[in-house]
Amino acid sequence: GQNIDQPTEMTATEGAIVQINCTYQTSGFNGLFWYQQHAGEAPTFLSYNVLDGLEEKGRFSSFLSRSKGYSYLLLKELQMKDSASYLCAVRDYWKLIWGAGTKLIIKP
Amino acid sequence: EADIYQTPRYLVIGTGKKITLECSQTMGHDKMYWYQQDPGMELHLIHYSYGVNSTEKGDLSSESTVSRIRTEHFPLTLESARPSHTSQYLCASGLTGSNQPQHFGDGTRLSIL
Repeated sequence: GQNIDQPTEMTATEGAIVQINCTYQTSGFNGLFWYQQHAGEAPTFLSYNVLDGLEEKGRFSSFLSRSKGYSYLLLKELQMKDSASYLCAVRDYWKLIWGAGTKLIIKP
Repeated sequence: EADIYQTPRYLVIGTGKKITLECSQTMGHDKMYWYQQDPGMELHLIHYSYGVNSTEKGDLSSESTVSRIRTEHFPLTLESARPSHTSQYLCASGLTGSNQPQHFGDGTRLSIL
């Protein structure tokens, strides 16, 4: 079947680094997306991985291991504005399957 | 920034009313989607369209209907609203291609009394 798991909530300190994990089970893996969603707002696209390895984009990096069904989003130099939910979404053939998201709380 | 617009942002209305949630995008995207999202929960696909005159039901059973008469417009209609329809409704659009992200509108938060 299809399944995506993410931690429900994480807490980190301003200026630190945090890693948000996502594990998935799908039949026809065709790419993995990370989105950021601030409370009451729309999800916004952060990154896309389809091949194994690390994709770096400024303070945010995303890693994928297809053999392990595993991805993580790495956020460096955390800022208060990074407080949001981070959604992992996997493309299973043509369909996008969404995780419930990880709520990240940043403390000063 | 993606140019996709949803109206209204908030709607509180009584049971039994007919409701239409509007969604328009100015990016010329062929694919459009409607999702339902409850607080702290995953997005559930309720309808999608791959182009004009193409509409399909998603995974989540829904009593709503959609239409796609123009590329840029993808309204969702509830013929008779019920309290169980209370939720946030998100519209998204995107280009064809497995690496193409979906771009979301700001959502409509719907409360049925």
